[in-house]
Amino acid sequence: EIVLTQSPATLSLSPGERATLSCRASQIVSTSYLAWYQQKPGQAPRLLIYAAATRATDIPDRFSGSGSETDFTLTITRLQPEDSAVYYCQQYGLSPLTFGGGTKVEIK
Amino acid sequence: EVQLLESGGGLVQPGGSLRLSCEASGFTFKRYAVGWVRQAPGKGLEWVSDISHDSDSMYYSDSVKGRFTISRDNSKSTLYLQMSSLRDEDTAIYYCAKRPVGLLRYFDSWGQGALVIVSS
Repeated sequence: EIVLTQSPATLSLSPGERATLSCRASQIVSTSYLAWYQQKPGQAPRLLIYAAATRATDIPDRFSGSGSETDFTLTITRLQPEDSAVYYCQQYGLSPLTFGGGTKVEIK
Repeated sequence: EVQLLESGGGLVQPGGSLRLSCEASGFTFKRYAVGWVRQAPGKGLEWVSDISHDSDSMYYSDSVKGRFTISRDNSKSTLYLQMSSLRDEDTAIYYCAKRPVGLLRYFDSWGQGALVIVSS
């Protein structure tokens, strides 16, 4: 099983700043089969990024993904109040599908 | 617009059974794989199970294998999760989620979830 470790656990930033979220895998994620999701309180998760770097439909270009093999990053530029949420990574290269523990982004 | 509407959640005693349903609309259900992801109270996301568009392939997490059964009825655009031998640790919000076309196993649309509470 591929274990995904996300860091930091919590990120507290001001509007307009840049957020950098890390997702590290315990083994290589084949073909960069990694996705990122955003979950706001009381809501279902929403797909942001798939294939490590491809934005999903209607996702603003402030959100970008990068990385390969075992190290992946979600970057949110020009943070806005509505970006306050928990962000999860998920690998889908190997069964069982696994999620990281999440990074909570707080907007000051 | 893709919509996934879960139902069937509720309170059940340990060892009991429950069946969740997920009614899909806004897309051609029979062309897409779908699945279930759960979230225990205050915790992260955990994949439970998914099923191919034609029911030929079904996958389960080790934590539910042998106790849960995923199925679908393409004529009704509905996904099911039959849960039996329920345990306290199965308490969670269960999300129905759609996969993109093909074999890639991430989830591009999600329902609002059904709450399952396992407690005596």
